[in-house]
Amino acid sequence: AQKITQTQPGMFVQEKEAVTLDCTYDTSDPSYGLFWYKQPSSGEMIFLIYQGSYDQQNATEGRYSLNFQKARKSANLVISASQLGDSAMYFCAMGGTSGNTPLVFGKGTRLSVIA
Amino acid sequence: EAGVTQFPSHSVIEKGQTVTLRCDPISGHDNLYWYRRVMGKEIKFLLHFVKESKQDESGMPNNRFLAERTGGTYSTLKVQPAELEDSGVYFCASSLGVENEQFFGPGTRLTVL
Repeated sequence: AQKITQTQPGMFVQEKEAVTLDCTYDTSDPSYGLFWYKQPSSGEMIFLIYQGSYDQQNATEGRYSLNFQKARKSANLVISASQLGDSAMYFCAMGGTSGNTPLVFGKGTRLSVIA
Repeated sequence: EAGVTQFPSHSVIEKGQTVTLRCDPISGHDNLYWYRRVMGKEIKFLLHFVKESKQDESGMPNNRFLAERTGGTYSTLKVQPAELEDSGVYFCASSLGVENEQFFGPGTRLTVL
């Protein structure tokens, strides 16, 4: 069975600083995808970034990057130059390499950006 | 392009009543998922439709939950009769199935009193 662990219930970061949100996973599948979603206070789930298990390079999307360490089974999200609008819940999830398999989520990390 | 929509945004019902949640996926998305987040816990998968067929319903908690997707378009999730532990946020997501992203709706917050 697949499992996602997010060990940080809450994090604080100063505006304009970088922050790393931790995510470790467990799976016996050789092929999988790792996802990060952002959930602001309004409640919607916003897709941020995806990393495939066979991708050679770490994924990047603007200020978001995914520090993928396959041997350690970790997929940490790095947010650079934090903004006040980054304050939200962040969920790490695991699924397939296409969008046709259910996602397994971690408990989430609440990030608070301080001015 | 319209995103995934869900109705209602909030629902407050009494134990024993029936509630039906609706999800309209992004047009053309064959894959439709229902997830639920109970307070303080992980978002959990409930079931997966491919078009009108149930691909995987292993996450459905019990037979009080019934999901349908007639015609392979919108989906409904009915809870009958509702129990206190059914309270939570119910998310719907859809995807094409050939790209990795699942697009989520805003969720329906269900409160059972």
